Amino acid sequence: EPEVTQTPSHQVTQMGQEVILRCVPISNHLYFYWYRQILGQKVEFLVSFYNNEISEKSEIFDDQFSVERPDGSNFTLKIRSTKLEDSAMYFCASSDRVSGSGEQFFGPGTRLTVL
Amino acid sequence: AQSVSQHNHHVILSEAASLELGCNYSYGGTVNLFWYVQYPGQHLQLLLKYFSGDPLVKGIKGFEAEFIKSKFSFNLRKPSVQWSDTAEYFCAPRGAGNNRKLIWGLGTSLAVNP
Repeated sequence: EPEVTQTPSHQVTQMGQEVILRCVPISNHLYFYWYRQILGQKVEFLVSFYNNEISEKSEIFDDQFSVERPDGSNFTLKIRSTKLEDSAMYFCASSDRVSGSGEQFFGPGTRLTVL
Repeated sequence: AQSVSQHNHHVILSEAASLELGCNYSYGGTVNLFWYVQYPGQHLQLLLKYFSGDPLVKGIKGFEAEFIKSKFSFNLRKPSVQWSDTAEYFCAPRGAGNNRKLIWGLGTSLAVNP
């Protein structure tokens, strides 16, 4: 069964450093998403991406964040200068449709720890 | 504002007990509704969804949920839980049409004792 994969599973970084979180969505999917969950808090939407551009982004997704689909398979989230409050579990998701039965399939997450 | 409220944050049940997890949402416009589950060490996966039609929807592993529009609720139920249902459960509405993001509740941690 096809699945969304994410690497690394854990990332520890120093405050101010750049990190890139990688995701490989399901191959025939067209819509991609990043969510995050700070420990003890709700899952929060960060950004959605379709047709090589951002469809929607949340207030969290400021200039420090960017997404890219550099090739036909990867979907990356970059945080340019990490802050302590960026420590969270980051989930990538993909779907083949927006509405209808456009279920979002999730990866296992990357746990980011900023020291 | 778009929001979701899951009433039970931690639930402990014995096997064969019945389960009902509450979910209320606030959302302007047409909404699609989802319950996701995360078993220990596994991905978030879809349990069931409601788009339109019969407000009582059935999902995997014997779960069902009822959409009550007048109450803005989408409660999850299972008549008889098993130890393997131990997991984190998330209610997540999403706008229909071009609004694609899922709005998440805090989740409910369910522990089923054998």
